[in-house]
Amino acid sequence: NAGVTQTPKFQVLKTGQSMTLQCAQDMNHEYMSWYRQDPGMGLRLIHYSVGAGITDQGEVPNGYNVSRSTTEDFPLRLLSAAPSQTSVYFCASSYVTGAQGYTFGSGTRLTVV
Amino acid sequence: GENVEQHPSTLSVQEGDSAVIKCTYSDSASNYFPWYKQELGKRPQLIIDIRSNVGEKKDQRIAVTLNKTAKHFSLHITETQPEDSAVYFCAASIAGNQFYFGTGTSLTVIP
Repeated sequence: NAGVTQTPKFQVLKTGQSMTLQCAQDMNHEYMSWYRQDPGMGLRLIHYSVGAGITDQGEVPNGYNVSRSTTEDFPLRLLSAAPSQTSVYFCASSYVTGAQGYTFGSGTRLTVV
Repeated sequence: GENVEQHPSTLSVQEGDSAVIKCTYSDSASNYFPWYKQELGKRPQLIIDIRSNVGEKKDQRIAVTLNKTAKHFSLHITETQPEDSAVYFCAASIAGNQFYFGTGTSLTVIP
């Protein structure tokens, strides 16, 4: 099993550009989520999904879109990049039933100039 | 929603000493409390977790305690080693779905 795979690992964007961060998991996890990590602010939830076709907003959803067409994939779209979106992004997944911790992807370091 | 506070934000200990990190949560419905360790440039990794029906859990040098009445939980690391140096995050969730994270504690173990 590959676990949670995120691509790309690094990305530099110009203000106003759009891009998609990819996330895929092969553990048949129903729950998938996107976090951003900024110094001193911990991990903040952007969007999450409890299954294919179901998504919802987290704490900081503005400027981001998600979709969940399959159980395996949960891409995060930046619609019009802004310097405030410079961050490290983590995708994470888990089973919905019961209480189990997340499995995190390796992260994407995004810089918006 | 849930609010998780974590203290201290930085912690330095001598090798061999113990380290304690404390978290409080606001939603009494939260019932699952994982702890994550994140080494520099790496992804967070689950190191221990506790459910609301348990007061304490140990795994070798790591233990977690939970006080539901006071709504706080703590991570205890004994006999610290340099490889314990990392950022530690606590989290709280209801039914293991949406996790709310603390802001992290940067632990430095001084050889």
